[in-house]
Amino acid sequence: DQQVKQNSPSLSVQEGRISILNCDYTNSMFDYFLWYKKYPAEGPTFLISISSIKDKNEDGRFTVFLNKSAKHLSLHIVPSQPGDSAVYFCAASDTGTYKYIFGTGTRLKVLA
Amino acid sequence: ETGVTQSPTHLIKTRGQQVTLRCSSQSGHNTVSWYQQALGQGPQFIFQYYREEENGRGNFPPRFSGLQFPNYSSELNVNALELDDSALYLCASSWAGRSLSSGANVLTFGAGSRLTVL
Repeated sequence: DQQVKQNSPSLSVQEGRISILNCDYTNSMFDYFLWYKKYPAEGPTFLISISSIKDKNEDGRFTVFLNKSAKHLSLHIVPSQPGDSAVYFCAASDTGTYKYIFGTGTRLKVLA
Repeated sequence: ETGVTQSPTHLIKTRGQQVTLRCSSQSGHNTVSWYQQALGQGPQFIFQYYREEENGRGNFPPRFSGLQFPNYSSELNVNALELDDSALYLCASSWAGRSLSSGANVLTFGAGSRLTVL
């Protein structure tokens, strides 16, 4: 039972355009969400988080949107840069458990 | 501040052997979690340590065990290795505040230890 799903294994975007990465979850107890970026041979790097009491959080070029009724979150990267090419993971947690459930990742390729 | 460091970076074992992976948490962090990332998958939670005690375990058998030391560093031990244990093992540290119930925490990951079981 995969509680966190990233249904797009890969995404290609032109430099300067918007990248939208999607994530769906099934457990209504999840109340904290994280996005991570992972380059080959490196550990995942934290990008941005959102709590279930918000529906949007921004940090520079990165914005995360949360739709609790749809159990869906998305990460927007504007403008996309070639250095953004990496695998992106969303992760969800019920803060009472402190255990994060990760999606399978989306490989983003930003074309110059 | 120093980040999360893991050792060794790569290792090869044979089926049935035992392995110990090590992790130094980021300075200021008091909680360590271990994740297994198989090829093409997202990280899967193995267990978490807080105040030197296991606090929560994922769907992994007892041959996966761990320790947390007073300096918050940690070890992951896997006994009786199986071929399916081949994966990237990620350690993540975080600050849990005065207690684990004091709010959500962001994980800081190390680069991982890649284990190959032949």
